[in-house]
Amino acid sequence: EPEVTQTPSHQVTQMGQEVILRCVPISNHLYFYWYRQILGQKVEFLVSFYNNEISEKSEIFDDQFSVERPDGSNFTLKIRSTKLEDSAMYFCASSESSGGHYEQYFGPGTRLTVT
Amino acid sequence: QKEVEQDPGPLSVPEGAIVSLNCTYSNSAFQYFMWYRQYSRKGPELLMYTYSSGNKEDGRFTAQVDKSSKYISLFIRDSQPSDSATYLCAMILSGGYNKLIFGAGTRLAVHP
Repeated sequence: EPEVTQTPSHQVTQMGQEVILRCVPISNHLYFYWYRQILGQKVEFLVSFYNNEISEKSEIFDDQFSVERPDGSNFTLKIRSTKLEDSAMYFCASSESSGGHYEQYFGPGTRLTVT
Repeated sequence: QKEVEQDPGPLSVPEGAIVSLNCTYSNSAFQYFMWYRQYSRKGPELLMYTYSSGNKEDGRFTAQVDKSSKYISLFIRDSQPSDSATYLCAMILSGGYNKLIFGAGTRLAVHP
């Protein structure tokens, strides 16, 4: 069964450093998303991406964040200058283009620890 | 008032019990409703997806949406220890760009 994959599973970085979180969505899906979950809190929407551009972003997704689809398979989230409060699980999700495009399938997540 | 409210539990039931999990919401523009299951430190796994009001059944799982009451439910029949997880409700606004709004999740423990 096709699935969303994410790398790395765990990333430790120092405050102020840049990190790139990587995702490979399900191959026939055209909508891509990033969510995050701070430990013990709700899953929160960060950004949605379609047709090589951001379709919606939350207030969390400020100028330190960016997303990119550098090739036909990868979808990345870059955090330019990490802060302690960026420590969280980051989930990538994807959905297909028609009919069931509201059904979002999540990857296993990347645990980001900022020290 | 929070957009989506969900009792965090924990909910502890014996194996074989019928489990009822619920969410309420405040915005009547929510149109699409999902239930996800999340095991500890894993990604949410889609269980059920319903559009507007009504029931949907899939094996031991039944999802109900009551838009007039702004209330959704997930029922699990013949619960198993492997059902022990956190259950998240999530919703999408009509006309939205597929942004999922999640509840806090209900932690369920099914004991043998």
